[in-house]
Amino acid sequence: GAGVSQSPSNKVTEKGKDVELRCDPISGHTALYWYRQSLGQGLEFLIYFQGNSAPDKSGLPSDRFSAERTGGSVSTLTIQRTQQEDSAVYLCASSLGQGTNEKLFFGSGTQLSVL
Amino acid sequence: GDSVTQMEGPVTLSEEAFLTINCTYTATGYPSLFWYVQYPGEGLQLLLKATKADDKGSNKGFEATYRKETTSFHLEKGSVQVSDSAVYFCALSDMAGNTGKLIFGQGTTLQVKP
Repeated sequence: GAGVSQSPSNKVTEKGKDVELRCDPISGHTALYWYRQSLGQGLEFLIYFQGNSAPDKSGLPSDRFSAERTGGSVSTLTIQRTQQEDSAVYLCASSLGQGTNEKLFFGSGTQLSVL
Repeated sequence: GDSVTQMEGPVTLSEEAFLTINCTYTATGYPSLFWYVQYPGEGLQLLLKATKADDKGSNKGFEATYRKETTSFHLEKGSVQVSDSAVYFCALSDMAGNTGKLIFGQGTTLQVKP
């Protein structure tokens, strides 16, 4: 596609429910990243994929958070038993995956609100 | 671990004023440094970058110089426009593992008034 696409753009859920957030990276981009942007905070790294593998999951805040990537393309971030502190904008980014100077292309994010 | 600290916002300027947004970093090794910008309602996009000491990144009238001695990468623009109103993020590349992962500062909101 033309850019990184995320869905849904907004999600309102009740505390304790599970949610799935989807990211469609730019075609041909092997690297995919999930970040979280909380109100007044910077971007917090969650997880990095190279192809379908996740060599860096160091930013996942708890075992309620998981992510997968299939076919080297679409990724899904799942949050189980959501809590109010999970409310944030979840951003996905992709790149060609060729090293540390790569430009990251970001989606517009999913605004998650946990009531 | 590696980290980035930006000046707190919001920064409010009149059109044509000079802009500086301070950014300092802590890192092992010599990371690449970036400024990303988030315009209202849009995703983050790369504004400029510098990959080694004394390099100057520039784009759209914005500049930033990689200063190893002061571990800084301050963003400057000589004359801001209303259209520059956005949130600006300083970032560094995490050199461990060659993942391309970026570590971001907390962001600085810039509001330019006509």
